[in-house]
Amino acid sequence: AQSVSQHNHHVILSEAASLELGCNYSYGGTVNLFWYVQYPGQHLQLLLKYFSGDPLVKGIKGFEAEFIKSKFSFNLRKPSVQWSDTAEYFCAVSYNNAGNMLTFGGGTRLMVKP
Amino acid sequence: EAQVTQNPRYLITVTGKKLTVTCSQNMNHEYMSWYRQDPGLGLRQIYYSMNVEVTDKGDVPEGYKVSRKEKRNFPLILESPSPNQTSLYFCASSPRTSRGYTFGSGTRLTVV
Repeated sequence: AQSVSQHNHHVILSEAASLELGCNYSYGGTVNLFWYVQYPGQHLQLLLKYFSGDPLVKGIKGFEAEFIKSKFSFNLRKPSVQWSDTAEYFCAVSYNNAGNMLTFGGGTRLMVKP
Repeated sequence: EAQVTQNPRYLITVTGKKLTVTCSQNMNHEYMSWYRQDPGLGLRQIYYSMNVEVTDKGDVPEGYKVSRKEKRNFPLILESPSPNQTSLYFCASSPRTSRGYTFGSGTRLTVV
């Protein structure tokens, strides 16, 4: 079965530090890639998505992600985090042979210290 | 406003008492899905539906049922809830042509 791995379960950063969250998936075929954010007590919101084209994707709130097909990776980055970025981040993948279904990683809980 | 609406937001019930969590979307989306979120496990798909009267099992379907009689509604049914179904549940919908979901606000279910 296809799977998505997020290797960092908990990350603690100080404000203005740079962020990179890892995401790897297991499927070798065509994929669509997503990062979602869940602020405390809220539902998931889409940060950014990649379907095709430029592998460097820019999303909302200054986030970006790079799709590296050879590494099966889609890491999330932000040059300078803010306290308001404290949230849980989920990488998700949909596989073209599975219609529109999303498989999620286990999530990374980010805490940004003011 | 385009949205996915789940009800109730919070529910405490006892083992074995049938319950239904409703989900409705106003975006005319073909695809709808139910997920459960548990600490350290991310979101796992319970059931999904690609259109009216078309449903299929996700990764963790045991103990759950769904129906899709109308395009906008996709209720999740727990015929005989058990404590291991205590979780945070999310409904989501997506148009067929766009490969990303809009999520509801979640339903926190506790089974005692």
